Amino acid sequence: AIQLTQSPSSLSVSVGDRITITCRASQGISSNLAWYQQKPGRTPKLLIHDVSSLENGVPSRFSGSGSGTDFTLTISSLQPEDFATYYCQQFNSYPHSFGQGTKLEIK
Amino acid sequence: EVQLVESGGGVVRPGGSLRLSCAASGFTFDDYGMSWVRQAPGKGLEWVSAINWSDGNTGYADSVKGRFTISRDNARNSLYLQMNSLRAEDTALYHCSRRRAGHLDYWGQGTLVTVSS
Repeated sequence: AIQLTQSPSSLSVSVGDRITITCRASQGISSNLAWYQQKPGRTPKLLIHDVSSLENGVPSRFSGSGSGTDFTLTISSLQPEDFATYYCQQFNSYPHSFGQGTKLEIK
Repeated sequence: EVQLVESGGGVVRPGGSLRLSCAASGFTFDDYGMSWVRQAPGKGLEWVSAINWSDGNTGYADSVKGRFTISRDNARNSLYLQMNSLRAEDTALYHCSRRRAGHLDYWGQGTLVTVSS
């Protein structure tokens, strides 16, 4: 099974900061990676699919990049509504694993 | 509007069984694969199972393989998860989600499964 390791597990940040979250796969997953945002008490929301394709309606301050085994989610200028937990997910092969999550907290 | 509504959760004793259902509406159900994802209280997302739209091919997490069975009824626009030999560690909120080329673009609110003696 493919393991996804996100780093960091949590991040204390301020509004306006630029942040990058890393997701590393235990083996190559081509471009079969998505990123989700989850706020407390809410269902996850798809942000980015296929490494770098922004889902409709997602602000352009979110971007994704990477290839092979190393991927990143970047938020260019954090907004108050971005404080949430972020997950990567691979769908290259079963089981379609998630990373353990990265929680953004207000500094 | 796409809607996914889960049902069938509840409290069950270890070793027991439950069958979860997910009623889908607002899209052509048999054009999409579907998945189940769970989240234990205070924990992260855990992918559980998926089923293709075309050939009915299925996949399972190692933690549920041999105990859980995913199925779908396209005539009823419904997804199911049969859960047998339940364990305390299966306690979680179970979401069904729509797969669009692998990633999950719509999620239901979930149904809570509690495994406890």
